Amino acid sequence: DIQMSQSPSTLSASVGDRVTITCRASQSISPWLAWYQQNPGKAPKLLIYKASTLEGGVPSRFSASGSGAEFTLTISSLQPDDFATYHCQQYKSYPWTFGQGTKVEIK
Amino acid sequence: EVQLVESGGGLIQPGGSLRLSCAASGFTVSNNYMNWVRQTPGKGLEWLSVIYIDGTTFYADSVKGRFTISRDSSKNTLYLQMNNLRAEDTALYYCARAPVGVIEYFLHWGRGTLVTVSP
Repeated sequence: DIQMSQSPSTLSASVGDRVTITCRASQSISPWLAWYQQNPGKAPKLLIYKASTLEGGVPSRFSASGSGAEFTLTISSLQPDDFATYHCQQYKSYPWTFGQGTKVEIK
Repeated sequence: EVQLVESGGGLIQPGGSLRLSCAASGFTVSNNYMNWVRQTPGKGLEWLSVIYIDGTTFYADSVKGRFTISRDSSKNTLYLQMNNLRAEDTALYYCARAPVGVIEYFLHWGRGTLVTVSP
């Protein structure tokens, strides 16, 4: 199975900050990576697919990049709704696997 | 509007069985790639199973041989039959739909149904 790890596990930031979350795979998965945002008590929401393609309706302050086994999600200017947990998911091969999540909290 | 509503969760003893349902509206289950994903505080999100449009199914090793994904076109509903449940199956279970023409990631999610496996 492909193992996914995210860093940091928790990130403290303020509204307006630029934040970056890293997702690493145990092998090359490029470009088969998705990012999700999950607010407390809610289901995950798809943000990004194919490593860098923004899902429709997702604000342009979200961007993602990466290749091989290392990927990043960047929020250019944190907004109040962005304080949430972010998950990466590889879909290069079964079983599809997720990172453990990165919680973005208010500093 | 696409909606997914899971049901069937609850408290069950180890070794027991449950069948989860996911009632869909706004699209046809049998014309889409449908999945079950679960979430625990400790392990995060875990993909469990997918059913293809042609009925092909795949499972995570952790549930293979114990869980079965299926669908009922007449009810537009997805199911997860869970047998021989273990304490580690305690989780919030989501059904999730892939985007049209896509298999591998998840655009629409339900709100989840909680399964607790405990004596």
